[in-house]
Amino acid sequence: DIQMTQSPSSLSASVGDRVTITCRASQGISNYLAWYQQKPGKVPKLLIYVASTLQSGVPSRFSGSGSGTDFTLTISSLQPEDVATYYCQKYNSAPWTFGQGTKVEIK
Amino acid sequence: EVQLVESGGGLVQPGRSLRLSCIGSGFTFGDYAGSWVRQAPGKGLEWVGFIRSKAYGGTTDYAASVKGRFTISRDDSKSIAYLQMNSLRTEDTAVYYCARGARPKAFDLWGQGTMVTVSS
Repeated sequence: DIQMTQSPSSLSASVGDRVTITCRASQGISNYLAWYQQKPGKVPKLLIYVASTLQSGVPSRFSGSGSGTDFTLTISSLQPEDVATYYCQKYNSAPWTFGQGTKVEIK
Repeated sequence: EVQLVESGGGLVQPGRSLRLSCIGSGFTFGDYAGSWVRQAPGKGLEWVGFIRSKAYGGTTDYAASVKGRFTISRDDSKSIAYLQMNSLRTEDTAVYYCARGARPKAFDLWGQGTMVTVSS
């Protein structure tokens, strides 16, 4: 099975900082990569699908890129409401594996 | 309102069974695939399994950790998906979410989750 590895596992940044999270697949998955945001105590929310398409209603400070095995989620200007854990997920074929998550905090 | 609502969670002893339900509303349930995702306390998201829409054969896939013990089914006439969990283990303790799947969007709609605790 293809493994999904996120880095870092956690980060602390200041409001307004540019934040980058990476997700690496152990084999190519084309662009079938989604990013989710899960705020503390809340349900996961789809942010980005097919690697770079922003889900409706998601702020434009979020962006995604990549194809094949290497993917990136970027928050261009971190806001207090972005405190959450972020997960990538492959969905080219089963199993639809999630990354282990990246916890984002405000410094 | 477009939503998914899970039910059926609770406390169950190891080795016993439990069936979770996920009711969809506000959209044509049969047009979408359905998936179950779980999250153990303090841990990350784990994909459990998936059922395709009837248009794609209604077939299922499962994570290795639950294959042979868990079964996903659907009743589109009632807009319900089920997760039948047999031979439950303590490591199955988690919040179980149902999610709507539709390529290319992955899981664009999630339920609020239902807690399953497996303990003697």
